[in-house]
Amino acid sequence: DAGVIQSPRHEVTEMGQEVTLRCKPISGHNSLFWYRQTMMRGLELLIYFNNNVPIDDSGMPEDRFSAKMPNASFSTLKIQPSEPRDSAVYFCASKSAVYGYTFGSGTRLTVV
Amino acid sequence: TQLLEQSPQFLSIQEGENLTVYCNSSSVFSSLQWYRQEPGEGPVLLVTVVTGGEVKKLKRLTFQFGDARKDSSLHITAAQPGDTGLYLCAGARNAGNMLTFGGGTRLMVKP
Repeated sequence: DAGVIQSPRHEVTEMGQEVTLRCKPISGHNSLFWYRQTMMRGLELLIYFNNNVPIDDSGMPEDRFSAKMPNASFSTLKIQPSEPRDSAVYFCASKSAVYGYTFGSGTRLTVV
Repeated sequence: TQLLEQSPQFLSIQEGENLTVYCNSSSVFSSLQWYRQEPGEGPVLLVTVVTGGEVKKLKRLTFQFGDARKDSSLHITAAQPGDTGLYLCAGARNAGNMLTFGGGTRLMVKP
């Protein structure tokens, strides 16, 4: 099992550009989560899906952030337009009832 | 203000020492999890506790869930340099799958 796969691992972009982060959850896991981690605020839940349906997006900071899960094996988190304060490590995690949560290795986003 | 408060925030000890990390909240959680995170990687689940008063052991690590399910502790016996990392507690409410994370305890074990 390859675990939760995130891409890219690192992204550097200019302010105002669109950024798309990608996640492939573990096969068979029916819940998917997007988290953001910063030194100041720690790990914050942005949005989560159950069976590909968004359940709670109250953590999404602004309308500039959007997330989709078109099928059970793929999710995206998009920021448009990006701002320097969006710089953080973004984690995707998937969950099964039996094995609990598994996090990906994260995408380190730097907006300059 | 974090819903889950972890203490201490930083801890630097010598190999062989014992330590305890605390995770406290005013809220009740249906379950609480502990994770360890290394630089450049995501958090890795260590244990889940679900019953008030529950104690779980994982080799040199002992996890305890408070009787009221509002707090937890992680005790490491005879710490080793390989224990170095960021330790995170996370609580789940009855509302569903959502996890709320504490701010973390950054542990460094010196050889």
